[in-house]
Amino acid sequence: AQSVAQPEDQVNVAEGNPLTVKCTYSVSGNPYLFWYVQYPNRGLQFLLKYITGDNLIKGSYGFEAEFNKSQTSFHLKKPSALVSDSALYFCAVRDLTDKLIFGTGTRLQVFP
Amino acid sequence: GAGVSQSPSNKVTEKGKDVELRCDPISGHTALYWYRQSLGQGLEFLIYFQGNSAPDKSGLPSDRFSAERTGGSVSTLTIQRTQQEDSAVYLCASSLGTGGPYEQYFGPGTRLTVT
Repeated sequence: AQSVAQPEDQVNVAEGNPLTVKCTYSVSGNPYLFWYVQYPNRGLQFLLKYITGDNLIKGSYGFEAEFNKSQTSFHLKKPSALVSDSALYFCAVRDLTDKLIFGTGTRLQVFP
Repeated sequence: GAGVSQSPSNKVTEKGKDVELRCDPISGHTALYWYRQSLGQGLEFLIYFQGNSAPDKSGLPSDRFSAERTGGSVSTLTIQRTQQEDSAVYLCASSLGTGGPYEQYFGPGTRLTVT
């Protein structure tokens, strides 16, 4: 069965520093991987996705993700964090029946 | 263009009552999904519709939950005889289709509180 894991419940980073939010996956076949962000009292917003090809994927709001097949990882990154990036981040994999299987979420806190 | 909309944004109901939650997908999106987000449970899939195909109901937690999609557009999620454990945020999403790496676009959710 397809699954993703987000090993960190919370990540704290100072504004201006680089950030990484971790995600590992387990799939049969080629993975379709996604990152979503959820701001307080809002729905999920799509950030980026991996289909195939380049291992570094550029997304919205300056975020990018690095796909690593050998480590089965799909970490979300940003070179310089903003306080406004503070939110809940979800990694997801599309399963064989087209629904998304989500990780448990990682709360990102960026301190000024 | 308009995104996915859901109504109501908040719903408080008494245990045992029935509730209906509505979702308007993005125009032209053929696939529609319902998820539930609750504390300690994360995001869980409930049901999805693709075009005129039979819906995938594999995530519905009990027979008190049902959903329909009329005319391939608007969807209604119905919870009968609500229980306190049904309290959660119910999220609707739509996508261009299935069978490909289409991203899903989410609505703002309906926060359901069962007292």
